Amino acid sequence: EAQVTQNPRYLITVTGKKLTVTCSQNMNHEYMSWYRQDPGLGLRQIYYSMNVEVTDKGDVPEGYKVSRKEKRNFPLILESPSPNQTSLYFCASSYRGGFGTDTQYFGPGTRLTVL
Amino acid sequence: AQSVTQLDSHVSVSEGTPVLLRCNYSSSYSPSLFWYVQHPNKGLQLLLKYTSAATLVKGINGFEAEFKKSETSFHLTKPSAHMSDAAEYFCVVRTSNTGKLIFGQGTTLQVKP
Repeated sequence: EAQVTQNPRYLITVTGKKLTVTCSQNMNHEYMSWYRQDPGLGLRQIYYSMNVEVTDKGDVPEGYKVSRKEKRNFPLILESPSPNQTSLYFCASSYRGGFGTDTQYFGPGTRLTVL
Repeated sequence: AQSVTQLDSHVSVSEGTPVLLRCNYSSSYSPSLFWYVQHPNKGLQLLLKYTSAATLVKGINGFEAEFKKSETSFHLTKPSAHMSDAAEYFCVVRTSNTGKLIFGQGTTLQVKP
């Protein structure tokens, strides 16, 4: 089954404790992206990747890191989480990303709480 | 710059009555437009997308959207609401060079029995 998976689905942590949220897709997509969803703000892009070893900042990259060493994986790293990073996070992927009406497929989301 | 505005944060309809969720966009060139739905505690699912092949776009579960360039609108409609349609709906425009999706603030659809 074609899908985007994220782990963990739920995470409660404390300020400053490094964490990684994994994202994996099995559709051989070139483009992957991370979004955060906050009430009243819709989804906002954190980082995106057009292909392996190619990443760039989205609208709200502060406090986050990403890497794209393999095509299928795009982990989101919070080196020193803070309470303002408490949010619902979505990973997405698409075949080519920036062209035409290429559809982005979303993972199930990761609900992160930073105390 | 591109942007999208969903004109209603909350819409309430009775089961069996029509649904209208309004969306206006701003784009300096021909946009790529989408509607996504998010059911409670679920991920985002694509309802439909505008491909420029036709201004009236049909999606899943009986939803449609009409692209009106003169009004810069992409409203979502459904002739008859079902209880299962209760969810949050996002109108989305995509930038052409980075693939970034720009989301509206979302419209919560409530369907009353």
